[in-house]
Amino acid sequence: DAKTTQPNSMESNEEEPVHLPCNHSTISGTDYIHWYRQLPSQGPEYVIHGLTSNVNNRMASLAIAEDRKSSTLILHRATLRDAAVYYCILRDPNYGQNFVFGPGTRLSVLP
Amino acid sequence: DAGITQSPRHKVTETGTPVTLRCHQTENHRYMYWYRQDPGHGLRLIHYSYGVKDTDKGEVSDGYSVSRSKTEDFLLTLESATSSQTSVYFCAISELGMNTGELFFGEGSRLTVL
Repeated sequence: DAKTTQPNSMESNEEEPVHLPCNHSTISGTDYIHWYRQLPSQGPEYVIHGLTSNVNNRMASLAIAEDRKSSTLILHRATLRDAAVYYCILRDPNYGQNFVFGPGTRLSVLP
Repeated sequence: DAGITQSPRHKVTETGTPVTLRCHQTENHRYMYWYRQDPGHGLRLIHYSYGVKDTDKGEVSDGYSVSRSKTEDFLLTLESATSSQTSVYFCAISELGMNTGELFFGEGSRLTVL
C-alpha cells in the first residue's frame, strides 16, 4: 500500500520555518519519497524527493527518518507564495508509473 | 519552466460528443502522463506513455483512450463524453520515470460535459 498520512492543514507566519510531516509506515525499501505542491489554479509542482538520506535543494529540505516510516518537508523561511497544498507521495505498487496523491496538507502563510 | 502545453485550456461540450485533449512537450522526455483532478479524489492517473506508441492504463482509464505517435505529443480522447468526465485534466512529463525522476505538470485543461 502506497498510502501516506498528512495533516489536513497547517498555518505558518511569514518568514518563519515550516515543518510539514508525513507518515508512510508501509513504504517499500526501494521507493523514493516525493513532495509536490499545488498552488491555486495551477498544476502540481515538484518540490523534492529522497530515498534514505536527508536532501536539500533551493526550495526546501527533506528529513527522512532512519526507519523511513516518516519524513518532514522543511521550508526554511515561508513566504506568501508558499501557500499551497503540499503532497507527500509514494509510488503506487499496483501501477509502476503512478503516484498516489492523497488530499495533502493545505498550508496557509500569514503575513 | 518545462515546456509543456495543454490544449484546449477550457472546453464545454455536450454528453455523447467526442473530445480530444492534447499535450505537447518540447523537452524530449520519455514519459508522459494524463491525470484528472476532482474534489474529494485528488489527482488520479488515467493513462501514461513510456515511449512512442507505448502506452498503458492507469487507475481510472475506463472511457478514455490515448495515443502517442510522436515523442512530443500525447493525446487523450473521450470517445463519448459523459458528465462524470467533467474534471480538470493535467498532463505531466518525466525524463526518468516516476520513482527516481521529477514530474513536470502542465497548467491543466478544464472540461465541462453538460
